[in-house]
Amino acid sequence: AQSVTQLGSHVSVSEGALVLLRCNYSSSVPPYLFWYVQYPNQGLQLLLKYTSAATLVKGINGFEAEFKKSETSFHLTKPSAHMSDAAEYFCAVSDWSTGNQFYFGTGTSLTVIP
Amino acid sequence: GAVVSQHPSRVICKSGTSVKIECRSLDFQATTMFWYRQFPKKSLMLMATSNEGSKATYEQGVEKDKFLINHASLTLSTLTVTSAHPEDSSFYICSARRPGAGANVLTFGAGSRLTVL
Repeated sequence: AQSVTQLGSHVSVSEGALVLLRCNYSSSVPPYLFWYVQYPNQGLQLLLKYTSAATLVKGINGFEAEFKKSETSFHLTKPSAHMSDAAEYFCAVSDWSTGNQFYFGTGTSLTVIP
Repeated sequence: GAVVSQHPSRVICKSGTSVKIECRSLDFQATTMFWYRQFPKKSLMLMATSNEGSKATYEQGVEKDKFLINHASLTLSTLTVTSAHPEDSSFYICSARRPGAGANVLTFGAGSRLTVL
């Protein structure tokens, strides 16, 4: 079965500081991994995706994530937080064995302190 | 880029009435659409997979007679919450996978917030 665990439901960082949002996955086959961002009362927007190509994936808004198979992790990082980064972030996993259905983590709420 | 539109964005209804939410793929054809439910401060729960021209596939624990899904065309899926009750109040989000380039990436609608009084 596929699942995603996001450690830390709330993360606070100062503006300009490093952002690190953690995601660990469980999958019986090579997974596809995604990070989505959600602003209040809006749908989800794709930040970046890993689909078995390069393990370091760069996304929009300066975010990147690294796929580490040995650690079953796909943590999201950004070198310098901006006020506009405050939002809810979801990690998701999918694979062909489940018909490419998506399974989401419980989300991490990022607060940026000025 | 791929755009998925949901309507209405907000709806308030009385208990016992039915509410229909539309999900449209505006610039691509979607043979498969997904309906999620999101509770406050919680993750997205996959409710069902909507398949064009056939019956929807519901996740375990989701009442198919309560949440009717119809995927009548390649660009439209509808979710009808029948005989809505206050516990059905939630944020409902649809998504679609655009075939071809960028496959296996879901594009999400902006969501529909349902409040049942």
